[in-house]
Amino acid sequence: EVQLVESGGDLVQPGQSLRLTCTASGFTFSDHYMDWVRQAPGKGLEWLGRIRNIADRHTTEYATSVKGRFTISRDDSKNSLYLQMNSLKIEDTAVYYCTRGRWNAGGWYYDYWGQGSLVTVSS
Amino acid sequence: DIQLTQSPSFLSASVGDRVTITCRASQGISRYLAWYRQKPGKAPEVLIYTASTLQSGVPSRFSGSGSGTEFTLTITNLQPEDFATYYCHLFNIYPLTFGGGTKVEIK
Repeated sequence: EVQLVESGGDLVQPGQSLRLTCTASGFTFSDHYMDWVRQAPGKGLEWLGRIRNIADRHTTEYATSVKGRFTISRDDSKNSLYLQMNSLKIEDTAVYYCTRGRWNAGGWYYDYWGQGSLVTVSS
Repeated sequence: DIQLTQSPSFLSASVGDRVTITCRASQGISRYLAWYRQKPGKAPEVLIYTASTLQSGVPSRFSGSGSGTEFTLTITNLQPEDFATYYCHLFNIYPLTFGGGTKVEIK
């Protein structure tokens, strides 16, 4: 059974840093592109970024809103995905989802999502 | 960056109704669009990808169409579990993005 479990969410002050971890199981983690998506309370979904698989050399893409502040990495030996968040702002308060992407017949979609990890940025 | 604009933001409907949600892209995106449904307190689930391909296991009352800059998600015979929020999603052109969402409420 595919599972994605996020951890590391916390209450932090503005300007602080935080690292989220997504632990994957039930599939060959190294084969898949992995993305982070967040959702502020009562708001819509926001794509944050992607890290490609080992075949595509773990290259990354980021949303304009977080580029330079957030860094996505992975450790395939630990089946783990990471989101390092620096210089956190109040508007970064959200539930952060780890997602697995899948290419199928020329199309892409997220076929599995984690349960989400709440990050609250407040003084 | 490409923007996706969904309309309407909210709609009220009854069980058995047919509803249509539109997603407009700020520039042409071919058919690089997916649709997701998010039930309250749950993670989103994919309904449609590549504009019109129905994800395996998704009921046939869901259908998608469009290409370029205008896309639609149509739900026929609305069921109780369809009262949720729907998002369109641009894939394959970076940075990826989601539409603002359409909340379907019970009339």
